[in-house]
Amino acid sequence: GAVVSQHPSRVICKSGTSVKIECRSLDFQATTMFWYRQFPKQSLMLMATSNEGSKATYEQGVEKDKFLINHASLTLSTLTVTSAHPEDSSFYICSGTSEYQETQYFGPGTRLLVL
Amino acid sequence: DAKTTQPPSMDCAEGRAANLPCNHSTISGNEYVYWYRQIHSQGPQYIIHGLKNNETNEMASLIITEDRKSSTLILPHATLRDTAVYYCIVRVYNTDKLIFGTGTRLQVFP
Repeated sequence: GAVVSQHPSRVICKSGTSVKIECRSLDFQATTMFWYRQFPKQSLMLMATSNEGSKATYEQGVEKDKFLINHASLTLSTLTVTSAHPEDSSFYICSGTSEYQETQYFGPGTRLLVL
Repeated sequence: DAKTTQPPSMDCAEGRAANLPCNHSTISGNEYVYWYRQIHSQGPQYIIHGLKNNETNEMASLIITEDRKSSTLILPHATLRDTAVYYCIVRVYNTDKLIFGTGTRLQVFP
C-alpha cells in the first residue's frame, strides 16, 4: 500500500503555544488529505478534508481558526494547532488519497501533549 | 451517512478463523464497505473493501450479504499480531470521507 508519514511522532508543548504537524505522502500524489483526532479509548473523529490548492472543509464543531490546515502541494499537508490548551491533547492522524485510489492511506499519527 | 454496528469485542484462538460481523442496514446502493484495523497507538491500516461482490486479498476476505445490509470480515488464520480494533466503515457516497464507528476489539489468544 501507499505510504504516508507524519512529523513529529510526538510533541509536548506549553499551553498557549502553537504546534505544527506535517503529513506527507511519500510515494503518491495526495489530491485529498484528511485530518482526524482520536482521544484515548475512543474512535477516530474526522476533523477536516483538504484538497490540494483549496481551503479545507471542516466538520461540524471543529474550529477552523484553531486548527489551521494547509495543503499547498500534492505531497504535503500541515495542521497547526493554535493557542493549544490541555484539552487539545490528543492523537492526531492524517490520511491521503488520490483520484486513482479507492482507499485512504493513513499516517502513523502524532501524539500531542499540552501542558 | 450510513452507520455501522459492530460488536465491541471478540476473542479468537490463534490459528483459527476470525469472523467479524458488521451491520449497515441503511447503506445505499452505491456506497462501499471498507474495513480498516488499528493496532494500539498506530494509524489505521487498510484491509479490504467491496461494493456488492465478495472480495479476497492477501489479508482477508469480505463477505457482503445479497441485500448489502451486513458484511463479515474473515481473517482465515488469525495470529497474535492480528490483535487490534477493526473498523467497518461505509464510505460517504460521492465523497472520499470515512466516518469511523466504535469498531470491534479483536483479541487473539495463544
